[in-house]
Amino acid sequence: DAGITQSPRHKVTETGTPVTLRCHQTENHRYMYWYRQDPGHGLRLIHYSYGVKDTDKGEVSDGYSVSRSKTEDFLLTLESATSSQTSVYFCAISDPDGQGGTEAFFGQGTRLTVV
Amino acid sequence: GESVGLHLPTLSVQEGDNSIINCAYSNSASDYFIWYKQESGKGPQFIIDIRSNMDKRQGQRVTVLLNKTVKHLSLQIAATQPGDSAVYFCAENRGTYKYIFGTGTRLKVLA
Repeated sequence: DAGITQSPRHKVTETGTPVTLRCHQTENHRYMYWYRQDPGHGLRLIHYSYGVKDTDKGEVSDGYSVSRSKTEDFLLTLESATSSQTSVYFCAISDPDGQGGTEAFFGQGTRLTVV
Repeated sequence: GESVGLHLPTLSVQEGDNSIINCAYSNSASDYFIWYKQESGKGPQFIIDIRSNMDKRQGQRVTVLLNKTVKHLSLQIAATQPGDSAVYFCAENRGTYKYIFGTGTRLKVLA
């Protein structure tokens, strides 16, 4: 497995509380991503990062923010959790080599339940 | 725990038979394609990839076929084993970071 660690693996939180999910990589890959996975949908991109302090929005970014202060760490924050943010969250990494796309490697996921 | 859709199309295959999983992609501008395997409660795992300048690529027990004319991708698994039971989905890549993922097909291997 690629060296990607997500924490926590499971979390239950109350509506309106802030939540931060962490992704840590040991591969020194430039790109890091946060996706959510829900029944009936493919993986949907929340935010991504292409370098330290360089981040951008994905297709479902509302209600989420991210930070990347070090190459190896990418944090996803739900400022005020809502029930619609109950999902499984995956971190991924990739390292494009200038020759075109490259595979993305995924972490094991964080199951978040907002009650 | 369940981490993918509950109502995915399902392919049931007898152990030892070959499996073929299909995927239609959306954009003719996509130039790189990946197949992933996802077991219950785990993250997607890379299986094989193919670039748009190729029609076929083989790995260990797996083959990916790309038909750009009809925007279709398939994954063939030879001599399917119980450990192959999982959800399989394709991804298309456009440019550096943009991946578009399919919803997947559940493969069930029958003993």
